[in-house]
Amino acid sequence: QVQLHESGPGLVKPSETLALTCTVSGGSISGYYWSWVRQAPGKGLEWIGQIYYSGSPKYNPSLGNRVTISVDTSKNHLSLKLTSVTAADTAVYYCARAFRGLDYWGQGILVTVSS
Amino acid sequence: DIQMTQSPSSLSASLGDRVTITCRASQTIYTYLDWYQQQVGEAPKLLIYAASNLQSGVPSRFGGSGSGTDFTLTITSLQPEDFATYYCQQSYSAPQTFGQGTRLEIK
Repeated sequence: QVQLHESGPGLVKPSETLALTCTVSGGSISGYYWSWVRQAPGKGLEWIGQIYYSGSPKYNPSLGNRVTISVDTSKNHLSLKLTSVTAADTAVYYCARAFRGLDYWGQGILVTVSS
Repeated sequence: DIQMTQSPSSLSASLGDRVTITCRASQTIYTYLDWYQQQVGEAPKLLIYAASNLQSGVPSRFGGSGSGTDFTLTITSLQPEDFATYYCQQSYSAPQTFGQGTRLEIK
């Protein structure tokens, strides 16, 4: 059974960089696309971006050039970096496998942007 | 960006009812449309992929249809665990946008 687990700081200061890791267990990261999705408190789902296991990320233009998604196949994990964060970036961040839909999700991690 | 519009935004129904949720895309997305269910405090769960394919393990009372720009999610005979928020998402082009969600409540 594939499992995904997001990890990283739960509190980030304004203007700093949010950095999260999604560790995949029970299966290989190779051969699949992987996505990041976020959900602000009380709001809907927002697609952040997607990456193939070998690279070629695609990002949501609404985030400008602040977002970077990468994959480390040797560690079986993917990463998310979001620079210059503001309070509007406060959300639960999910990673998910993209195969015939987003078929496996992590439990999500709440990241709060506050000084 | 492709805009995804769900209707209704909220819906009240009773146990055993049949309900339909609609998702409309701002341009054709063929059948690149997936449906998710989200319970409060939990990650979304994939119900339907490619417009009409039932994800493994999902009860057969869930069904999806449509192509092009208009899609529907139908739940027959509502069960207590079905009261949740439902989202559609297009995976035809980046950004892979979600609908705003439909909250299904008990009447």
